[in-house]
Amino acid sequence: DQQVKQNSPSLSVQEGRISILNCDYTNSMFDYFLWYKKYPAEGPTFLISISSIKDKNEDGRFTVFLNKSAKHLSLHIVPSQPGDSAVYFCAASTETGANNLFFGTGTRLTVIP
Amino acid sequence: DGGITQSPKYLFRKEGQNVTLSCEQNLNHDAMYWYRQDPGQGLRLIYYSQIVNDFQKGDIAEGYSVSREKKESFPLTVTSAQKNPTAFYLCASRGQYTEAFFGQGTRLTVV
Repeated sequence: DQQVKQNSPSLSVQEGRISILNCDYTNSMFDYFLWYKKYPAEGPTFLISISSIKDKNEDGRFTVFLNKSAKHLSLHIVPSQPGDSAVYFCAASTETGANNLFFGTGTRLTVIP
Repeated sequence: DGGITQSPKYLFRKEGQNVTLSCEQNLNHDAMYWYRQDPGQGLRLIYYSQIVNDFQKGDIAEGYSVSREKKESFPLTVTSAQKNPTAFYLCASRGQYTEAFFGQGTRLTVV
C-alpha cells in the first residue's frame, strides 16, 4: 500500500520555464515532507523539506508547497536548467514513533535546452 | 568529512550465496535504513534501525537480514532466500528532525 504517490512518472520542460512536480500522500499523521533528487547509479541527495506547520518553503530556485487538507505537496523549480534533469522523489515522515521515511515512486524530469 | 559510505559499489553474487553489503556513517545518527530500488520503481524499505541493537522489518524484509552492533554500522546480508536480489541497494542515516543522508549505493547482480 503506497502511502506516498507520485502519479507522473515523467515530465519534460523547456529550459527557463517552471517545472512542477506533484506528490500525494494518504497518511494524515505525516508531518514532515522532503524532496530528493537522484541521478542514475547514485544515492539521492536532499533538496528541500517542509514541516506541516508551514505551507511553503523556499530555497533559491526550489519552492515546496504543502496543502494539508488535500494531502498534496508540490515542488516548483524556477527557472528550470538542464542540470536539473534527474529523478525526483518526494518523501514523508512522522516525527514521532518509527520516524521512517516513506518514498514515492519518483518523477523523471527532463529539462530541454 | 562526515558522511555515509557504502561498499562495495558493485557486487556479484552466485545463485545460492549469501552476500553482505556494508554501510558506515560518521554523522552520529541514531537511525539507519536500507532501501532497495528496482528499475522504474521508488525506494522500498527493507530494514531500519532506530538505535543500537534494535532493528525492524520494513516492507520487503523477506530474504534479508541486518545487524546493528555499533551506532556507526548497519550491514545488510542478502541471503539465498531472496529470490530476486538483483537491484540497487541504498543505505541512509537520519538524525531527529533532519533529512536522511544516503550513501552512493551498491548495485548487486546475480550471476
